This record gives sequence, structure tokens and C-alpha cells, in this order.
Amino acid sequence: AQTVTQSQPEMSVQEAETVTLSCTYDTSENNYYLFWYKQPPSRQMILVIRQEAYKQQNATENRFSVNFQKAAKSFSLKISDSQLGDTAMYFCALRAGSYQLTFGKGTKLSVIP
Amino acid sequence: EAQVTQNPRYLITVTGKKLTVTCSQNMNHEYMSWYRQDPGLGLRQIYYSMNVEVTDKGDVPEGYKVSRKEKRNFPLILESPSPNQTSLYFCASSSQGAGELFFGEGSRLTVL
Repeated sequence: AQTVTQSQPEMSVQEAETVTLSCTYDTSENNYYLFWYKQPPSRQMILVIRQEAYKQQNATENRFSVNFQKAAKSFSLKISDSQLGDTAMYFCALRAGSYQLTFGKGTKLSVIP
Repeated sequence: EAQVTQNPRYLITVTGKKLTVTCSQNMNHEYMSWYRQDPGLGLRQIYYSMNVEVTDKGDVPEGYKVSRKEKRNFPLILESPSPNQTSLYFCASSSQGAGELFFGEGSRLTVL
């Protein structure tokens, strides 16, 4: 079985500041993918960033970057220069083996003007 | 435009009245899946399908049925809905091995 844990149910950050969302996971597979999805109030699930486990380099997408620590099974998301539009639920997810995608319970991020 | 389409987006029904939530994707994806989202619980997988005529249970399959007769369609069937199935439902699809799931816009279901 695979598990994903997000230990921060809610977080807040001032506009233009940097915030880091935590995620730990567990899987027995060697090949897997990790994702961060954003869910704004519109409820749409939007892919923010993905990381292949075999790649040592941390993924980056504009203001979003990850800190992937494979040995520690940790996958945190850093948002730089936070914007009001970043206010959303953020879900960490793991996909391994049989393609089942397992989600964490989410972190509600509020960006304060 | 590549997309996953769910219908209906909103539905209020009563206990025991059978309903179907349709899901269709136009990306020729082999893999399709249904999730339900509840506050504090994140997204939990109901059923998934690796290809046509191949389906399997996820983490919370009780009270649901699915079928995969065509590659593009993966309907979710609630034979006898109960109030504990009130939830937000998402359909998703991906190509084999690609990793990323593409999600529909969600279906808000209320069972009275």
C-alpha cells in the first residue's frame, strides 16, 4: 500500500512572501511519480508540478519548486513571491506501480494581502 | 481541446433513486478513474480502469458500480444512493505510464 501525508491542514502567507508546504509519502516501488495539485475555489484540479522519482534534479515551474528528498521520502512544495491567486487547497499525490494515484488530505493555503 | 467531461455538474436526488454520472475523455487515454472528495479526507479512489473491459476497485468502492465498454467513456453508477454518498466526485484519465492525471470539473452530488 502507498500513503501520502500532509501534516499542515492550513497555512497562510503574506503576499509576495515565500511559503513551503510539506508532504511525506511511502511506497515500496522504485519507479513512481509525485505531484502537487492545486484546487482553487472553482474546484478544478490543476497540476502545479510533477517529479519523476528517478530524476535527482528538483522540478521547477516558474514560482513553484519542489524539494525532493528520496531517501527521506519527502516532497515539499515551495511557492515564491506568493500571489492572491495562489489561495487554494494544495494536494500532494503519489502514483506508483498499478497507476493508482494516492492523495494526501490537503493543505489549505491562504495568501493575505 | 483535450478534456475530461463529466455530467451532471450538480445533482440533488433522494435515497434509493438510481443515478449515473457520465465521464468522457477525448485524449485516447487508456487509464480512467473515479474519486470522491470529502472535507478533511482529501480525494479517495472509488474505481479505476486500465483499459476497455478492465476495471478494479479503489479504496472506497462500496455502493458504486462502473463499466468501461468504450475507451472514451467511464460512467459511475449509484444503484441505490444513500446520504453518505453526498460528495464531490471527480473523473480523471491518463495515458499509460505518463504519470499525470487529467481531471474533469467535478460533480457535486447531494443525496437527501
